[in-house]
Formats: sequence, structure tokens, C-alpha cells
Amino acid sequence: EIVLTQAPATLSLSPGERATLSCRASQSVSSYLAWYQQKPGQAPRLLIYDASNRATGIPARFSGSGSGTDFTLTITSLEPEDFAVYYCQQRSNWPPFTFGPGTKVDIK
Amino acid sequence: EVQLVESGGGLVQPGGSLRLSCAASGFTFSTYEMNWVRQAPGKGLEWVSYISSSGSTKYYADSVLGRFTISRDNAKNSLYLQMNSLRAEDTAVYHCARGADTFDNWGQGTLVTVSS
Repeated sequence: EIVLTQAPATLSLSPGERATLSCRASQSVSSYLAWYQQKPGQAPRLLIYDASNRATGIPARFSGSGSGTDFTLTITSLEPEDFAVYYCQQRSNWPPFTFGPGTKVDIK
Repeated sequence: EVQLVESGGGLVQPGGSLRLSCAASGFTFSTYEMNWVRQAPGKGLEWVSYISSSGSTKYYADSVLGRFTISRDNAKNSLYLQMNSLRAEDTAVYHCARGADTFDNWGQGTLVTVSS
């Protein structure tokens, strides 16, 4: 089973600042990595698939990069609605699909 | 608009059973693979089960293998999860999620609480 780790666990930033979130895989997942956003009481929302492709309707301030074992989700300028928990998920070697533990982006 | 609406959650005693449903609309359900993903209170996401578009292929997380059964009725645009021998650690919000291996639409979820 591929284990995903995310850093940091919590990121405290102000609106307008840049957010950089990391996801690391225990073995190569090629580019088969997705990012999801989840707000309290809501379902997760797909942001990025295959490491760098924005899902339908996702603003351009969200971008993904990386391949192999190291991936990054960048939010160039935080909007108030971006404060949430972000999860990475691999689809390289399944079952099982695995998720990272999440990074919470909160308001500083 | 794609909609996924789960139902069937509730309070059940350890060892009990529940059947969850997910009603799909706004897309051609029969052509999509589907999954169940759960989230324990205050915790992260855990994939539970996958089913192919025809229902012929199914996969399960080790934590539920032999206790949970995924199924679908394409005529009714519905996905199901039969949960038997429930344990306290199965307590979670259960989401249905569309997609083969990347989950592009999710339902709000239904809460399952296993407690005596």
C-alpha cells in the first residue's frame, strides 16, 4: 500500500498570501496524484488531477506540480473561501486508493 | 448538474447491519464507476470500496473486506453499501464518489454511528 504524507499539518496564512502544500508518496506514483479541498460540513471537492491538471471550474490560482514521490499544491493568492483542509490522493497502485492525512489552511 | 445523495445512515449497535444508498442524477450513471469513501469524526478520508460501471468488478479496503458489500442498480441510478458486523471503528460519514480512480463528484454523506 502506498502511504502519502502531507506537510505541514497546519498552515496559518493571511488572505492574499501564497500557500504551498506538500504531499510525499512512499513510492513513485508517477503523475497519478489528485488534490481535494474540503470545507467544514461539506463534501470534498476535486481541485487537481494527474498532478497538474485543474478540474472543471477550479480557479487558476490553484496549481499542482510534481511527479514520482514529491508533489506540491500552490494557491497563489489566498481568497477567504480557500481556508479549508486539503488532501492528496494516489491512483497509481490500487486497490487501495490512499489519501494523505490532510493539511489545514487556516487564517492567521 | 451532477447530484449524489446518500441515505440510510443512523445509530446501530456493534455487530449490527445497515444498508446505505446513494441516489445519482444529472449524468448517465450506468457509464460511471463508483466508490464509497468514509471519514471518521475529525479524521481524514478513507477509501472503502469500488464498483465498476456494470457491477462486475468490486474492490474493498482490507478494513471492511468480508463485512461490507458494494452493489448498484443502474436501472434505478443507485449505488448501495451493505454493512454487516459493524464495529465502533466503522463510525464515520460515508460519501459516495463518482469516478474510476479520481473522484470528481461527491455526495454530502450519511453518518453511521456504531455504539451500544
